[in-house]
Amino acid sequence: QSALTQPASVSGSPGQSITISCTGTSSDIGGYNYVSWYQQHPGTPTKFLIYEVSKRPSGVSNRFSGSKSGNTASLTISGLQAEDEADYYCASYTSRNTRIFGGGTKLTVL
Amino acid sequence: EVQLVESGGGLLQPGRSLRLSCAASGFTFDRNAMHWVRQVPGKGLEWVSSINWNSGNLEYADSVKGRFTISRDNAKNSLYLQMNSLRVEDTALYYCVKDASYAFDVWGQGTMVTVSS
Repeated sequence: QSALTQPASVSGSPGQSITISCTGTSSDIGGYNYVSWYQQHPGTPTKFLIYEVSKRPSGVSNRFSGSKSGNTASLTISGLQAEDEADYYCASYTSRNTRIFGGGTKLTVL
Repeated sequence: EVQLVESGGGLLQPGRSLRLSCAASGFTFDRNAMHWVRQVPGKGLEWVSSINWNSGNLEYADSVKGRFTISRDNAKNSLYLQMNSLRVEDTALYYCVKDASYAFDVWGQGTMVTVSS
């Protein structure tokens, strides 16, 4: 099964908002509300940002928000900060009871 | 503090076997499904395998099915991944990950597996 499709890179200036898309199929993103998002900074444990499309775990800034339309999920980061520069990954539950990740998006804060 | 600590990685030749372990602490281990996720350095994440709380449901990525076996010992708060018939393309950092609401909520630091002749 191919990875979910994310843009390879996005960029934005401090204070701006950016959105990262994650496109799958009706067998994963489109079929279930089990989309999640993750942040990776080099050398630090992967951070859990969003689950069940739009829910934030305790402790995650409300600058991070998630949504879904059809087979595409999105992560929006508002009020961009330098510390947000990182790699971001989406993931979804699938109809085969497996999981699938997106290819990852590198966010650059200009 | 919730913590996952992987061990068992190493350098080995194609065709060999390796067993990864993950020690869990800070949460009720036997109430959560667990996963292995891998990442080639500099590349993206790949889900490898999952196991439910009582080992009654095991799932594998197509890339490892028939070669890898996931297991757990709830009495020891431990997760395992037995990797057989290893291939060069299995080279990656392997993460032990806790499941929550069909997401991956706690990640270990990973253990590196390098398969090379």
